[in-house]
Amino acid sequence: GQQVMQIPQYQHVQEGEDFTTYCNSSTTLSNIQWYKQRPGGHPVFLIQLVKSGEVKKQKRLTFQFGEAKKNSSLHITATQTTDVGTYFCAPPNYGGSQGNLIFGKGTKLSVKP
Amino acid sequence: NAGVTQTPKFQVLKTGQSMTLQCAQDMNHNSMYWYRQDPGMGLRLIYYSASEGTTDKGEVPNGYNVSRLNKREFSLRLESAAPSQTSVYFCASRLYRAGANVLTFGAGSRLTVL
Repeated sequence: GQQVMQIPQYQHVQEGEDFTTYCNSSTTLSNIQWYKQRPGGHPVFLIQLVKSGEVKKQKRLTFQFGEAKKNSSLHITATQTTDVGTYFCAPPNYGGSQGNLIFGKGTKLSVKP
Repeated sequence: NAGVTQTPKFQVLKTGQSMTLQCAQDMNHNSMYWYRQDPGMGLRLIYYSASEGTTDKGEVPNGYNVSRLNKREFSLRLESAAPSQTSVYFCASRLYRAGANVLTFGAGSRLTVL
């Protein structure tokens, strides 16, 4: 079945350092979404990528969709304590109806001030 | 707008008890979902309702039932709770159409089964 692998599972950084999380799929994707969940909170939509090789930026966050549309990454430049949380990639689940999303296990980011 | 509202926020049950988690959205979304989140497991889909009047099983449906009461409301029922159902439950909704597949989540319901 379709699998989504997210690495690393945990990342501890010093404030000001960069951070990257990677999402790899066993199948070619039509699109991929990213969500952020703050500690004790709920997942919140960040962005959706659709085109091969697409790069989108949101302030210090840079999202990329691979050329083959089988992987994606999220890079945070100069992390801040407000970046703490778990980041999930979520591509469509082609085994389900209406392309329900399948969530990776997430990368939990902690930032030391 | 309230978005997606879940009740209760916290609940403690004994094994074998039943309960219903309530979810309501005021965004006129057609699809609604129930996920559970366990440490290190990410979000797993329990049941979903693509539109009013339909429900389907997700990845982990065993031990649960759902009801799509109307377009706004989607409830999750545990008939006989088990310790393995201790988890955080999230309801979500989305307006499923081209270019608008974003999930909006509720604040979550933390359930402990003793």
